[in-house]
Amino acid sequence: AQSVTQLGSHVSVSEGALVLLRCNYSSSVPPYLFWYVQYPNQGLQLLLKYTTGATLVKGINGFEAEFKKSETSFHLTKPSAHMSDAAEYFCAVRRGFQKLVFGTGTRLLVSP
Amino acid sequence: NAGVTQTPKFRVLKTGQSMTLLCAQDMNHEYMYWYRQDPGMGLRLIHYSVGEGTTAKGEVPDGYNVSRLKKQNFLLGLESAAPSQTSVYFCASSYSPEMGTNEKLFFGSGTQLSVL
Repeated sequence: AQSVTQLGSHVSVSEGALVLLRCNYSSSVPPYLFWYVQYPNQGLQLLLKYTTGATLVKGINGFEAEFKKSETSFHLTKPSAHMSDAAEYFCAVRRGFQKLVFGTGTRLLVSP
Repeated sequence: NAGVTQTPKFRVLKTGQSMTLLCAQDMNHEYMYWYRQDPGMGLRLIHYSVGEGTTAKGEVPDGYNVSRLKKQNFLLGLESAAPSQTSVYFCASSYSPEMGTNEKLFFGSGTQLSVL
């Protein structure tokens, strides 16, 4: 069954530094992969998704992720962190047509 | 456009009490979901529905019941609340047949439930 593993429950960066949040997937079929973001006291919002085609996917707020089949990875990056990026980030994989399975989340802390 | 609306936003229950969480969406979505979010465990699917009148079990269905009598509403019930059900509950919806894909979930803002 499809699943995802997020490495690191917390990641701390300085404002302006590179953001790298790691996600590895397990899937016996070509996966549909997603990154969602949760700001404090809010529901989750879709950042970006990979379904088919181009392996480098660009999302909102300057984030992007690259699907690497050889490494079974879908890491999320942003060249320069902003204070407003502080949030919790969830990687997810679609299981069947109806369901998403989420990772355990990574909290991004951004310091001035 | 309201999107997905959850009520209530906060609730405190005593062990053994019952309650119903209401989720309403105005996007004509076919699929609706109830997740619970616990620290270090991410979001886990409780129950879901693929259309009016249908429900199905997710990963952690025990202790919960659901109903989808109307397409726009999805109710989550706790018949006899337990401290282990203290959590943040999120409702989500997705999939409009006219779009033909199911690639984005729309989430409500959550219900913080404490069971004492």
